[in-house]
Amino acid sequence: DAGITQSPRHKVTETGTPVTLRCHQTENHRYMYWYRQDPGHGLRLIHYSYGVKDTDKGEVSDGYSVSRSKTEDFLLTLESATSSQTSVYFCANRESVTDTQYFGPGTRLTVL
Amino acid sequence: AQSVSQHNHHVILSEAASLELGCNYSYGGTVNLFWYVQYPGQHLQLLLKYFSGDPLVKGIKGFEAEFIKSKFSFNLRKPSVQWSDTAEYFCAVIYSGAGSYQLTFGKGTKLSVIP
Repeated sequence: DAGITQSPRHKVTETGTPVTLRCHQTENHRYMYWYRQDPGHGLRLIHYSYGVKDTDKGEVSDGYSVSRSKTEDFLLTLESATSSQTSVYFCANRESVTDTQYFGPGTRLTVL
Repeated sequence: AQSVSQHNHHVILSEAASLELGCNYSYGGTVNLFWYVQYPGQHLQLLLKYFSGDPLVKGIKGFEAEFIKSKFSFNLRKPSVQWSDTAEYFCAVIYSGAGSYQLTFGKGTKLSVIP
């Protein structure tokens, strides 16, 4: 079990507005990830974190930023949302002992 | 670029039929391999994984997968599917040397099981 919660679970917003998605883990795992899931594309990595204040870009990072001020929280921000960012966003953490990623319940974001 | 291919976009089977979903990866080095399942409206759950050792891996719910290094494949199998197996299945790979331990996913195979 990932021990991950995501908030909000659903959000509808308008083009040009800022949006922040939150991922919270009850575990103390060092690595955390943000993915987006789109039909026909599977899951694609947006950003990841390897520790507090340590983050790096993934495959589809344009238009997104992240922050990690505490081990348990990993925030994803869309500075100015666009319709192409309509997607389902999943957060994951990595259990280092088993080298396995576990996923949160997802956030469905619609940008009108 | 490293990639993962899942050959079937949508598979439709009757209950009790056997299942095999294909997965091939592009890199010839050391890899860790995973199959995840996503039931309708839910998040991804780990089905099984392969890191080393016996290339035939058994997972939850009667699923198994075989790692064939020479074919860069990690196909998922189940001898007899049930209606409750209706879901989307994702193959994923971690390539050695990826300091991010990043998972590269295939595009998924949707399985529909008809009662």
